[in-house]
Amino acid sequence: AQKVTQAQTEISVVEKEDVTLDCVYETRDTTYYLFWYKQPPSGELVFLIRRNSFDEQNEISGRYSWNFQKSTSSFNFTITASQVVDSAVYFCALSEGGTSYGKLTFGQGTILTVHP
Amino acid sequence: GAVVSQHPSWVICKSGTSVKIECRSLDFQATTMFWYRQFPKQSLMLMATSNEGSKATYEQGVEKDKFLINHASLTLSTLTVTSAHPEDSSFYICSASYETQYFGPGTRLLVL
Repeated sequence: AQKVTQAQTEISVVEKEDVTLDCVYETRDTTYYLFWYKQPPSGELVFLIRRNSFDEQNEISGRYSWNFQKSTSSFNFTITASQVVDSAVYFCALSEGGTSYGKLTFGQGTILTVHP
Repeated sequence: GAVVSQHPSWVICKSGTSVKIECRSLDFQATTMFWYRQFPKQSLMLMATSNEGSKATYEQGVEKDKFLINHASLTLSTLTVTSAHPEDSSFYICSASYETQYFGPGTRLLVL
C-alpha cells in the first residue's frame, strides 16, 4: 500500500525566513509521480509541482524549490524568503499505478503560518 | 489550463435529505473523475473513482448506497449524499483526470 508522511503538523516562521516542508513516501511501484499542493483558507487546492520517479533533478520556481531524493524516498519543499501569503496548508501526494492521473494518496498536510 | 468546476460551492441541508454535488470538466474530457472528502484540519481521503459509463469504484469503508456516484458523460460526474446526517458534514472535492489530476474548488456541506 502507498503511504505519504508529512511529519511536520504545523510550522510557524517569521516573514523572510526560509522554511522546508518534509515529505516521505512509500510505494512498491517503480514508476510513480509525486505532487505538492497548496490549500489556502478558501479550500481550493493549488497545484505546485509534479515530479516523476525517473526525474531526480531538483527544481526551482521563483521562491519555491523541491528536492527529490529517491534513495531516501523524500520529496521536500523549500520556500525561500517566506511571505505572509505563503500561509496555507501544504500537501504532498503520490499517484499510484505508474501514471500522473491515477488516484492520489495524500500526506497529512503541514500547516504553515508566516508571521509579519 | 484545464478547469474543473463544482456546484454548489456550499450547501446547508436538514438531516435526512439528499444532496447532489456536480463536478464538471469545462474544457476537456475526463474519462476518470475522483471524489475526495476532507474533514476539518484533516487530509483529503479518496472516496471513490468514477469512470464514464461504468459503476464507480469505492474505497474501503465508503458506503456506496449512501454516496451515489454517476458519471453520465465525459465532462460530468455527480455525487449524491443520500439521507444526509450531521456526520456527513465535510468538504467534498472532485478531480478530473487529463494527463494529470485537476481539482475542483470543492463543496462545503453542512447537515443540520
